[in-house]
Amino acid sequence: EVQLVESGGGLVQPGGSLRLSCSASGFTFSSYTMHWVRQAPGKGLEYVSGIPSNGGNAYYADSVKGRFTISRDNSKNTLYLQMTSLRTEDTAVYNCVKGRLVPRANVFDYWGQGTLVTVSS
Amino acid sequence: EIVMTQSPATLSVSPGERATLSCRASQSVSSDLAWYQHKPGQAPRLLIYDASIRATGIPARFSGSGSGTEFTLTISSLQSVDFAVYYCQQYYNWPFTFGQGTRLEIK
Repeated sequence: EVQLVESGGGLVQPGGSLRLSCSASGFTFSSYTMHWVRQAPGKGLEYVSGIPSNGGNAYYADSVKGRFTISRDNSKNTLYLQMTSLRTEDTAVYNCVKGRLVPRANVFDYWGQGTLVTVSS
Repeated sequence: EIVMTQSPATLSVSPGERATLSCRASQSVSSDLAWYQHKPGQAPRLLIYDASIRATGIPARFSGSGSGTEFTLTISSLQSVDFAVYYCQQYYNWPFTFGQGTRLEIK
């Protein structure tokens, strides 16, 4: 059974930093593109970032580019999202998401429950 | 950026009836379109990808159609467990974008 468990969310002040983690199990983590998708309170889904299976060139939404860094440790089956220079508009539930196999790597077939990040003074 | 527009924003349907949800892309996305179901407090669930292929374990009452810029998700006979928010998503072009969602509620 595929499981994605996020951690690391919490309350942080504007301008602060936070690192999210996602522990994956139930599939060969090193074979799949992984993603982060967020949902602000009362809003819809917003794509944040993705990283290929080999940890190569990652991609970012314009809203987080230069502030967020996605990474992965295939030996630990873990995905990360380092968030810096946080803004109030980054407040959201952040979901760790598994992509399907290439060439459908950007179809999101399993989602974690999410971790809440609140940016507020 | 490709803008995905879903309609209606809210759809009220009685159990056992058919529900039809629409998604329009601001430019062609070919068939690179997925549908997700999201219930409060739960993780979103993939229903349909490539516009019409049901994901693993998705009941046959869910079907998707369309290509280019116009897409439809149909739920043939609504069950109580189907009341949720539904999102479409294009993966044809970066950045991948979602529609704003359609809330399917019990009439």
